[in-house]
Amino acid sequence: SQKIEQNSEALNIQEGKTATLTCNYTNYSPAYLQWYRQDPGRGPVFLLLIRENEKEKRKERLKVTFDTTLKQSLFHITASQPADSATYLCALQSTNAGKSTFGDGTTLTVKP
Amino acid sequence: GAVVSQHPSWVICKSGTSVKIECRSLDFQATTMFWYRQFPKQSLMLMATSNEGSKATYEQGVEKDKFLINHASLTLSTLTVTSAHPEDSSFYICSARGPPTNTGELFFGEGSRLTVL
Repeated sequence: SQKIEQNSEALNIQEGKTATLTCNYTNYSPAYLQWYRQDPGRGPVFLLLIRENEKEKRKERLKVTFDTTLKQSLFHITASQPADSATYLCALQSTNAGKSTFGDGTTLTVKP
Repeated sequence: GAVVSQHPSWVICKSGTSVKIECRSLDFQATTMFWYRQFPKQSLMLMATSNEGSKATYEQGVEKDKFLINHASLTLSTLTVTSAHPEDSSFYICSARGPPTNTGELFFGEGSRLTVL
């Protein structure tokens, strides 16, 4: 069955460092991989989308890589700030209009 | 970006009553919306796909008679939890795909926290 694993339930880093979150999947051939941010008691907010034929995507301090051979995506936040503290979810989608399947999320805490 | 509004943000009800949650796309038309349920420290569990003008598609294990979904217009989908019981207490979130110009990312409502006493 399809499975999505995000590296760890929690990640603690010091302000200014780069946070790296991992999303691994099995039994899935996604056309798109997305990353979302979720704050406590709120709905997720879209951050970045990367297609299966793309290796890397950047947006300001965020960078996403997508390796379809390893079946893995890495999500980086450079120069991290306490405001980046949240839960980050990866999601896989098989077609443009298909439903998305979400990982369990990694809760990032950036300490000042 | 596209905005999805969800109402109410929280609701407390007595066991056996029904509760309706609304999900609106404010600045775009959404032919498809999704309803999720989320327990503490867990991920989003897709309950159903709501299609405008047709019946919703429910995920395996989700009772369609328990969770009624109506998508009567291009900007509104509703989820009704019928005869709610304490085990239905959860965080319910809706989402919609953005306008056709977007690349398929989802826009989420703020979520509705249901507590059944």
